Amino acid sequence: AQSVTQLDSHVSVSEGTPVLLRCNYSSSYSPSLFWYVQHPNKGLQLLLKYTSAATLVKGINGFEAEFKKSETSFHLTKPSAHMSDAAEYFCVVSGRTGFQKLVFGTGTRLLVSP
Amino acid sequence: EAGVVQSPRYKIIEKKQPVAFWCNPISGHNTLYWYRQNLGQGPELLIRYENEEAVDDSQLPKDRFSAERLKGVDSTLKIQPAELGDSAVYLCASSTQLAGVNEQYFGPGTRLTVT
Repeated sequence: AQSVTQLDSHVSVSEGTPVLLRCNYSSSYSPSLFWYVQHPNKGLQLLLKYTSAATLVKGINGFEAEFKKSETSFHLTKPSAHMSDAAEYFCVVSGRTGFQKLVFGTGTRLLVSP
Repeated sequence: EAGVVQSPRYKIIEKKQPVAFWCNPISGHNTLYWYRQNLGQGPELLIRYENEEAVDDSQLPKDRFSAERLKGVDSTLKIQPAELGDSAVYLCASSTQLAGVNEQYFGPGTRLTVT
């Protein structure tokens, strides 16, 4: 079975400061990992994905995440928060071979203050 | 490129009434998914289609939920009769396998409120 744990339900930062959203995963085999963002009343948008290549993955809007097998973590970071980054972020795990369904975490709400 | 289209965006119904949601996936995407997202939670898969075949409907409450994907393109998810606990956002997604990665694209969802 696969699962993800998002360690913070809410994260508050000031505009211009770094963002860190934490995610730990559990998988009995090599996983694919994703981060999705959900703005209010909008669909989920893929930020970035890890499949099996470089462990540091760069995504859209300046976000990146690092796959750390020894820590079973896939934390999402951004050097400088922007007001438009305020949204709900989901860490997602999936298997890598054949079809494997996406298993979502419970989400982290990012709040950005001026 | 047009994204996944869903309608309606919002629906309010009384319990025991029927309701239907419609989804048009991204052109060329053979795989289509329906998810349910309860408040404060991540989406959970209800059903997956490969073309017109439902290949995974293990999480679909079959006593009241049904889905179809005629001609392997558009899909409809129906609830009859609706219950208070069905209030949620219903998301449709589609995908095509890229180098074996299951990369899914989501629509904006239909927010259902059952009163």
